[in-house]
Amino acid sequence: GAGVSQSPSNKVTEKGKDVELRCDPISGHTALYWYRQSLGQGLEFLIYFQGNSAPDKSGLPSDRFSAERTGGSVSTLTIQRTQQEDSAVYLCASSLGPGTGAYEQYFGPGTRLTVT
Amino acid sequence: DQQVKQNSPSLSVQEGRISILNCDYTNSMFDYFLWYKKYPAEGPTFLISISSIKDKNEDGRFTVFLNKSAKHLSLHIVPSQPGDSAVYFCAASTSGTYKYIFGTGTRLKVLA
Repeated sequence: GAGVSQSPSNKVTEKGKDVELRCDPISGHTALYWYRQSLGQGLEFLIYFQGNSAPDKSGLPSDRFSAERTGGSVSTLTIQRTQQEDSAVYLCASSLGPGTGAYEQYFGPGTRLTVT
Repeated sequence: DQQVKQNSPSLSVQEGRISILNCDYTNSMFDYFLWYKKYPAEGPTFLISISSIKDKNEDGRFTVFLNKSAKHLSLHIVPSQPGDSAVYFCAASTSGTYKYIFGTGTRLKVLA
């Protein structure tokens, strides 16, 4: 079956503009994660959605970042007034359920965001 | 504060030899550890995991060793193949939670 897909694969934007990044998780996966990988850094947790529960937004670096998940499926990560330090690869992952150790995360290919 | 550290950013190994990738962690609450492999322009893919109740887990050419007292884990690949060339991330978590903490990755290059 289809894996996790993300769009666009690459995005170049000017500083100050807003961007939207999209994630289509694997059908039936209730858990969805967003991560960010900056140059030379590991994967940084941003936000977690599980079913209809309130998302864990504790990893969002500033209030310019927001995310939503519609209908328990597709998720959109929005960055407002982009800054150069937002340049990174944004990765989405989904899993069958919550709980580390119980459910494997499947990652999408990522969106490479470049802010000029 | 980097809770999961991969101190070697890169490693080169001859084909057929053993590759050893290391990972250190600081949080004693971590009890589940994973290794992911990432090719360019692709997302990470799960490779192997280990629970803290074990000190070794083996899957084919891949073996993960866990030393809880040293808060250290390592991934051994034997024999290494050119197709193993990728970036390897270790990740740690605490059972019952959903957060994974990732290291910065080690780029492995297997030379033919």
